[in-house]
Amino acid sequence: LAKTTQPISMDSYEGQEVNITCSHNNIATNDYITWYQQFPSQGPRFIIQGYKTKVTNEVASLFIPADRKSSTLSLPRVSLSDTAVYYCLVGAGSSNTGKLIFGQGTTLQVKP
Amino acid sequence: ETGVTQTPRHLVMGMTNKKSLKCEQHLGHNAMYWYKQSAKKPLELMFVYNFKEQTENNSVPSRFSPECPNSSHLFLHLHTLQPEDSALYLCASSHSSGSLYNEQFFGPGTRLTVL
Repeated sequence: LAKTTQPISMDSYEGQEVNITCSHNNIATNDYITWYQQFPSQGPRFIIQGYKTKVTNEVASLFIPADRKSSTLSLPRVSLSDTAVYYCLVGAGSSNTGKLIFGQGTTLQVKP
Repeated sequence: ETGVTQTPRHLVMGMTNKKSLKCEQHLGHNAMYWYKQSAKKPLELMFVYNFKEQTENNSVPSRFSPECPNSSHLFLHLHTLQPEDSALYLCASSHSSGSLYNEQFFGPGTRLTVL
């Protein structure tokens, strides 16, 4: 599975847009990019997944450039409740055994 | 109940005790997982079950014994644990374990403390 690198922590203020970038230089052709969110003492929660270009849902947007060596999770107008750890994961499609490799993630602190 | 449930939510046990963690999913999924999350560390995958068959054992010590009687239930039997086994134990499920594209749904976890 491709290794990912993301900032350890980020600070933001309520109402701002937050962009968290993840590097995955060794991404394989059939790898998808997935982001999870985890609140303290809870299990991670799926946010968004994409393969290329842009994906948007009711929670976030995911931007993936043409070379797919990085991706950016965009959270519009964050609130205090968006304070959490955000994980970027990259993995293969059908050849994967379901193994999710979580790194340290990015701890986002939203301030009032 | 909906989603993935785990019981108990908190557990304190001595090193000589035997206890079991239970996970149940109500999502119709075929794959179930156990993860361990120690303080200030990333989640570590422990076991994967796909259609009740164990497909992954991530070098977990034998004092942790998983059991998957059917696709909806997953247990983690604990015996002679060590204090360093204290952690948040998370259960997850997905449609199958064959693809990362299948979103994993996590339970709330069991906070385990070994004295």
